[in-house]
Amino acid sequence: EAQVTQNPRYLITVTGKKLTVTCSQNMNHEYMSWYRQDPGLGLRQIYYSMNVEVTDKGDVPEGYKVSRKEKRNFPLILESPSPNQTSLYFCASSSRERGEKLFFGSGTQLSVL
Amino acid sequence: DAKTTQPPSMDCAEGRAANLPCNHSTISGNEYVYWYRQIHSQGPQYIIHGLKNNETNEMASLIITEDRKSSTLILPHATLRDTAVYYCIVRVGASNTGKLIFGQGTTLQVKP
Repeated sequence: EAQVTQNPRYLITVTGKKLTVTCSQNMNHEYMSWYRQDPGLGLRQIYYSMNVEVTDKGDVPEGYKVSRKEKRNFPLILESPSPNQTSLYFCASSSRERGEKLFFGSGTQLSVL
Repeated sequence: DAKTTQPPSMDCAEGRAANLPCNHSTISGNEYVYWYRQIHSQGPQYIIHGLKNNETNEMASLIITEDRKSSTLILPHATLRDTAVYYCIVRVGASNTGKLIFGQGTTLQVKP
């Protein structure tokens, strides 16, 4: 089954403790991206990647890192999480062909205390 | 970059057509318009997308104006399960360069 898998689904952590949210897709997609969703603000793009070793900033990249060492994986790294990074996070992927649709993961609810 | 504008909320009676508008007045000629919806805190679900022509699939129809500055998503026979937040999205770039611009979304409430 074609899917985007995020882990964990829920995560509670404390300020300053490094964490990684994993994202994996099984569709051989070149493009992957991370979003955060906050009440009243909709979905905002954090980072995206057009292919292996190619990443770029979205609208809200501060406080986040990403890497794309393999085509299927696109982890989101918070080196020193802060409470303002408490949010619902989504990973998405698609092929790079024009007009292709995005597939979203089921989300990671992160709480930073 | 193109931006989208949607009404924050709409109501629709069950069984009637729901027409959700989106304004994307700065869209360029090679950018697609996508519609997604989100139920509670689940991942956004793809509905439909188009470039210039009107599109229809098993879920909905998409009507794009001739000047491409606005579009309307039509759910022909809304059900209670269609209650969700609907996002109109413009995808930037001729070769899917990646950046997505989300509107604020329209909360559609389908009422019995």
